[in-house]
Amino acid sequence: NAGVTQTPKFQVLKTGQSMTLQCAQDMNHNSMYWYRQDPGMGLRLIYYSASEGTTDKGEVPNGYNVSRLNKREFSLRLESAAPSQTSVYFCASSLMRNTEAFFGQGTRLTVV
Amino acid sequence: AQKITQTQPGMFVQEKEAVTLDCTYDTSDPSYGLFWYKQPSSGEMIFLIYQGSYDQQNATEGRYSLNFQKARKSANLVISASQLGDSAMYFCAMREDTNSGYALNFGKGTSLLVTP
Repeated sequence: NAGVTQTPKFQVLKTGQSMTLQCAQDMNHNSMYWYRQDPGMGLRLIYYSASEGTTDKGEVPNGYNVSRLNKREFSLRLESAAPSQTSVYFCASSLMRNTEAFFGQGTRLTVV
Repeated sequence: AQKITQTQPGMFVQEKEAVTLDCTYDTSDPSYGLFWYKQPSSGEMIFLIYQGSYDQQNATEGRYSLNFQKARKSANLVISASQLGDSAMYFCAMREDTNSGYALNFGKGTSLLVTP
């Protein structure tokens, strides 16, 4: 099993450019999450989705949009990238409330 | 407001000793779950242990145990017999129910260094 797959692994954007980070899981999980990780800040929740067609904001949603395309895929879009969005982005998924979340390998995004 | 607090930015422990990593949380929901993850320098997130708010006993997984004190809202991770490979960042996380499902929020983490 591939688990949680994120693409791309690395990306450099210019300020104002847009891009979509892709995430797919093959574990038939219901919930999916997007996080950003910055030094000293831990993982901060951007958006999450409890099921197909449902999304909700986390702690730091400003500047991002998400789409839960189907049960497998949960994408994160930056419409107009800013240097403050330079970060490592993690996608995760979980089956149920009391089971662990599985993480992708992360996407290192730099906005110049 | 920060719901998960890890007050130890960095910790040192000698190999073969036990170490406790602190985690306190804030919620008014009676139903929640607490998780600990390890992140080595390679960057992947590794699940270690889970404790549900209604679980009567403290969770244990091999060398990892969770010291769950519900009244104090603390869920400290205890690593027994530390190994050099335990050097990593450790994150505490809490699952809370929301109107649209459940969210999983993390603390800022504790960096653990195991010395020979």
